[in-house]
Amino acid sequence: SQQGEEDPQALSIQEGENATMNCSYKTSINNLQWYRQNSGRGLVHLILIRSNEREKHSGRLRVTLDTSKKSSSLLITASRAADTASYFCATDAKSSASKIIFGSGTRLSIRP
Amino acid sequence: GAGVSQSPSNKVTEKGKDVELRCDPISGHTALYWYRQSLGQGLEFLIYFQGNSAPDKSGLPSDRFSAERTGGSVSTLTIQRTQQEDSAVYLCASSLGPPANTGELFFGEGSRLTVL
Repeated sequence: SQQGEEDPQALSIQEGENATMNCSYKTSINNLQWYRQNSGRGLVHLILIRSNEREKHSGRLRVTLDTSKKSSSLLITASRAADTASYFCATDAKSSASKIIFGSGTRLSIRP
Repeated sequence: GAGVSQSPSNKVTEKGKDVELRCDPISGHTALYWYRQSLGQGLEFLIYFQGNSAPDKSGLPSDRFSAERTGGSVSTLTIQRTQQEDSAVYLCASSLGPPANTGELFFGEGSRLTVL
């Protein structure tokens, strides 16, 4: 079964608004990452947050991690049409630090 | 090379035939992953290599699937006696080291497999 589950499955917002996506996972982790996938393309790494970190920023991206709730959120501020893509969280479990498991993804659409 | 390279980019085959998918990771990356993605779905983990060994093969869906990696570089994913449910995009990714140390994955563009 998937380690991570994203919520919502799909999100449509107006350009300029903020987009928030959530990820929940099942077991203790070393790291949590967020990736972006444009339609039909490979995934691109956005940001990595370690289990001892609570918040991280990169440009218009803000990621939070709550290990007590086993959840993370990705916030994209001031969204642009070019942010339209699918976003996935990925985790590597402490119990089996030999693979990185992806969630089911959130499809984000930005309306111009 | 500059990035992860996968071939072929597209493969159409008939049910029952064998297929080989190739992944050439970024030079110096010791970790290599194979994932499968069906249309509109998330990524399904298949196998992970560290060097030439595969510590985790738990994601391979059946014994028709196998993978090898030689010289700590190129990897081949082989699907024998393909079935229609094998149709998907097969994604390869590489990383500088094991997940706990260097988590970021670099992905290829994928190989789209269609089984008729």
